[in-house]
Amino acid sequence: DTGVSQDPRHKITKRGQNVTFRCDPISEHNRLYWYRQTLGQGPEFLTYFQNEAQLEKSRLLSDRFSAERPKGSFSTLEIQRTEQGDSAMYLCASSLAWPRTEAFFGQGTRLTVV
Amino acid sequence: GENVEQHPSTLSVQEGDSAVIKCTYSDSASNYFPWYKQELGKRPQLIIDIRSNVGEKKDQRIAVTLNKTAKHFSLHITETQPEDSAVYFCAASRGTSYGKLTFGQGTILTVHP
Repeated sequence: DTGVSQDPRHKITKRGQNVTFRCDPISEHNRLYWYRQTLGQGPEFLTYFQNEAQLEKSRLLSDRFSAERPKGSFSTLEIQRTEQGDSAMYLCASSLAWPRTEAFFGQGTRLTVV
Repeated sequence: GENVEQHPSTLSVQEGDSAVIKCTYSDSASNYFPWYKQELGKRPQLIIDIRSNVGEKKDQRIAVTLNKTAKHFSLHITETQPEDSAVYFCAASRGTSYGKLTFGQGTILTVHP
């Protein structure tokens, strides 16, 4: 599969624990996006990178959330001191900056905080 | 920031009928409007998109129309089939990034055989 891949697919964690998710974009894509999707809602933008630079962060991204893309390839999203309200599907997407392409989504990581 | 409203939230049709989903957006600078289909437990997949310099685009049974003045756009699916059943999301974007999207709330489309 040469699409966007995310790992793990499912994560159950206890409240207060830290979790980290990984996203591998389509190899030639230089833009990478993180979204959060709760049940019955559309995805909400969290942050995006062009190469290794984090260009924008949503107000939704509290200081417990941090994202990195150290070498401009894969990205990680870490949530510290998880709360029950963090339970959601975390989606990653990638695209080309030029020529501009649409965003291709991964299958997501479903986080459950108990 | 951008706000995208999508209606209806659920839509039930008989196989062979047409389905129409409508979205409105608030940011007049938005210039890219994709539609994604998401089947249960799967990733959102782009089915059609339109840029602000175009009023209509068709791809087989699917069409999208855009009214920039009224700031609304619609998805039209003709000759619906049971495999069209899914959640459909509209979205809007501005600037040079087609991936930084504001999504609507989604429409659950059910096509009955």
